Amino acid sequence: DAKTTQPTSMDCAEGRAANLPCNHSTISGNEYVYWYRQIHSQGPQYIIHGLKNNETNEMASLIITEDRKSSTLILPHATLRDTAVYYCIVRGSWGKLQFGAGTQVVVTP
Amino acid sequence: DSGVTQTPKHLITATGQRVTLRCSPRSGDLSVYWYQQSLDQGLQFLIQYYNGEERAKGNILERFSAQQFPDLHSELNLSSLELGDSALYFCASSVVGGGVFPYGYTFGSGTRLTVV
Repeated sequence: DAKTTQPTSMDCAEGRAANLPCNHSTISGNEYVYWYRQIHSQGPQYIIHGLKNNETNEMASLIITEDRKSSTLILPHATLRDTAVYYCIVRGSWGKLQFGAGTQVVVTP
Repeated sequence: DSGVTQTPKHLITATGQRVTLRCSPRSGDLSVYWYQQSLDQGLQFLIQYYNGEERAKGNILERFSAQQFPDLHSELNLSSLELGDSALYFCASSVVGGGVFPYGYTFGSGTRLTVV
């Protein structure tokens, strides 16, 4: 499975959009980009995933570059409850989820 | 409630002892995955079972073992416990062995193991 690179931490003001970048330059054609988050000591929570096209659900939007070497998770209106570690994971159809260090996002009032 | 049930939620035991952690997957899910998360560490994949058979192994110590039963629940057995085994242990489940499923894995709320 391809490796990902994320910033260690980022701050976001409540009510503003949070844009979380992820680099996955070695991604292969059949690998998906998944985003999970972990709120302090809770089980990781699925957010969104995509292959090529941009995706949106009730939680977030996922923007994948045309060359698929990077992506951005967008939380449109961050709330204090969005404070968590966000993991970007690249996985093929039969690969297991391998978690890196993720990005610690702190939403401030 | 994610649908993945882990018991117990907390466990305190002494070094050298053996414990069993239990996981009931979400209804309809055939695969179970175990992860370990030590203090301030990332989630480390331990092992995966699919429909009763071991499918993949990660950084699992020889002192640790797991199995998946016919009713699809899984148990993670940790023996000869050391202080360094203190961690959160998460179980996740998915429909298939690792194939693409819209929501990937569903995680339970974890078991916090403290070895004293």
